[in-house]
Amino acid sequence: AQTVTQSQPEMSVQEAETVTLSCTYDTSESDYYLFWYKQPPSRQMILVIRQEAYKQQNATENRFSVNFQKAAKSFSLKISDSQLGDAAMYFCAYRTYGGSQGNLIFGKGTKLSVKP
Amino acid sequence: KAGVTQTPRYLIKTRGQQVTLSCSPISGHRSVSWYQQTPGQGLQFLFEYFSETQRNKGNFPGRFSGRQFSNSRSEMNVSTLELGDSALYLCASSLAGWTGTTNTGELFFGEGSRLTVL
Repeated sequence: AQTVTQSQPEMSVQEAETVTLSCTYDTSESDYYLFWYKQPPSRQMILVIRQEAYKQQNATENRFSVNFQKAAKSFSLKISDSQLGDAAMYFCAYRTYGGSQGNLIFGKGTKLSVKP
Repeated sequence: KAGVTQTPRYLIKTRGQQVTLSCSPISGHRSVSWYQQTPGQGLQFLFEYFSETQRNKGNFPGRFSGRQFSNSRSEMNVSTLELGDSALYLCASSLAGWTGTTNTGELFFGEGSRLTVL
């Protein structure tokens, strides 16, 4: 069975600085998708960035980028120029390629605080 | 375009009661998934419905059930409530039920229904 591990329960960053959130996963599959979701306090979860395992190039979305190391089964999220609005719970998630779209396996999450 | 709507947002029940939660997906989305979120267990997949059929089910007891209607709206039901069922129940919708060669899909989540069991 696939598992997703986020080893940092809480992280803190100064506004305008850069922070990296860690995620490792375990799978025997060669094709899959990885995601980072953001859950602000009392608001709905939204997709931050996604990565297809068959793509070697790391995904980037504006200030958010990932470092995908397939052999190491590592998928970290880097947030550059952190803003107060980035404060939230961040969840790393895994989904089987070709499988049910709605079935994601989530990590336990990292709570990110942004200091002004 | 309206987002995923979940009702009720908050509810309090007592042990042994049952509860029904509702989810209206984004217009045009045919897949609805449900997740249970607790501080201890995190986010756990309950089940997914696509075109009124349950496509996938997580590792939860039979007290947890769901259904989907022809308009893609979904309900989940928990019978004989236990204290451990207290959680935030999240609904997510997506366009299609199965991924293809290039369709990674994106889940759109509602704000959740927070259930407290006393």
